[in-house]
Amino acid sequence: DVKVTQSSRYLVKRTGEKVFLECVQDMDHENMFWYRQDPGLGLRLIYFSYDVKMKEKGDIPEGYSVSREKKERFSLILESASTNQTSMYLCASSFDSGARYGYTFGSGTRLTVV
Amino acid sequence: GIQVEQSPPDLILQEGANSTLRCNFSDSVNNLQWFHQNPWGQLINLFYIPSGTKQNGRLSATTVATERYSLLYISSSQTTDSGVYFCAVLMKTSYDKVIFGPGTSLSVIP
Repeated sequence: DVKVTQSSRYLVKRTGEKVFLECVQDMDHENMFWYRQDPGLGLRLIYFSYDVKMKEKGDIPEGYSVSREKKERFSLILESASTNQTSMYLCASSFDSGARYGYTFGSGTRLTVV
Repeated sequence: GIQVEQSPPDLILQEGANSTLRCNFSDSVNNLQWFHQNPWGQLINLFYIPSGTKQNGRLSATTVATERYSLLYISSSQTTDSGVYFCAVLMKTSYDKVIFGPGTSLSVIP
């Protein structure tokens, strides 16, 4: 069964900590995405990647960075966590950038910054 | 930028009832998708439907691209249909960018 795996389901971090959210896909997809989901705002794109070592900013990249050293792994980094980064983080992958064959999402990481 | 609106924001149904969810978008798009997020947070792709009508069991969807809207029909609803339904559109811009609507929260009660 193909899937996208996010390393943590729940995470609690302190303000100012460096936080790593890991995402691994086993479908050999070229494209990977990080979204955050907040009540009433739907899903907002943080960063995406079309290839290894390639990254593009989404709508809300401020305060985040990403790393894609291997095709199957896409990491989201919060350089210095702040309380306004408390959110649900969702990773997705797709065969093509327009997701014409559908996104596959991970189960999400609910991050709380205290 | 493109705006994606969904209605209603919240919906409560008795098990067995039918419902229609609507997605409006403000500009031309290359494609449109419907997703279901279950109460545990998992997002599942339901339909890829840039135009026309598709059906999958009790669910069907219709997109009228020229009038910039899409409808998701749920018939004979079940408690497992509960969750949030999102539409997402792909903009006709220089790079592919999927934009999600704010979602419709559906609760199906026994």
